[in-house]
Amino acid sequence: NAGVTQTPKFRILKIGQSMTLQCTQDMNHNYMYWYRQDPGMGLKLIYYSVGAGITDKGEVPNGYNVSRSTTEDFPLRLELAAPSQTSVYFCASRLQGVNTEAFFGQGTRLTVV
Amino acid sequence: DAKTTQPNSMESNEEEPVHLPCNHSTISGTDYIHWYRQLPSQGPEYVIHGLTSNVNNRMASLAIAEDRKSSTLILHRATLRDAAVYYCILSTNLMYSGGGADGLTFGKGTHLIIQP
Repeated sequence: NAGVTQTPKFRILKIGQSMTLQCTQDMNHNYMYWYRQDPGMGLKLIYYSVGAGITDKGEVPNGYNVSRSTTEDFPLRLELAAPSQTSVYFCASRLQGVNTEAFFGQGTRLTVV
Repeated sequence: DAKTTQPNSMESNEEEPVHLPCNHSTISGTDYIHWYRQLPSQGPEYVIHGLTSNVNNRMASLAIAEDRKSSTLILHRATLRDAAVYYCILSTNLMYSGGGADGLTFGKGTHLIIQP
């Protein structure tokens, strides 16, 4: 099993550019999450989805958009990149329920210059 | 928000047991206690979780206080590969936008240093 796969692993963007961070999982999990992690800090939730067609904002959603057209894929869109979005982004998935294990991708390191 | 409190860092020697504490005094009756760890330059990985009873798996043990206001992650014999940031998390219902969902809210965690 591939688990949670994120692409790309690294990216440098110029201010004002846009990009999509890809996340796909092959475990048929209904819940998916996007987190960002700034240096020396814990993970902060950007957006989450409880199933195809359903998304909701997390703690730090400004500057981002998501969509969930399939169970497998949960892309994160940055429309107008800003230096404050320089961070490492992690995608995660899990089955519904507070007693289930979450699986994380290896992360995308994004630098906005 | 249910929150947890952990020491910023701890140090231990290789092949010795490690006890990582976590306080969660505002825990509700349905919140599960989860532990994840993050190795350098990697995504977090699941370690263990529990509700009321102590739990064991191949990676670690989780000891939960009777009043559930604190818990301890126990690594029975630390190795250099266990050096990581350990996060104690309450898996609870997210309420950011009113929609609600089961979520994991991360704090800063405990940076575990293992000395050879």
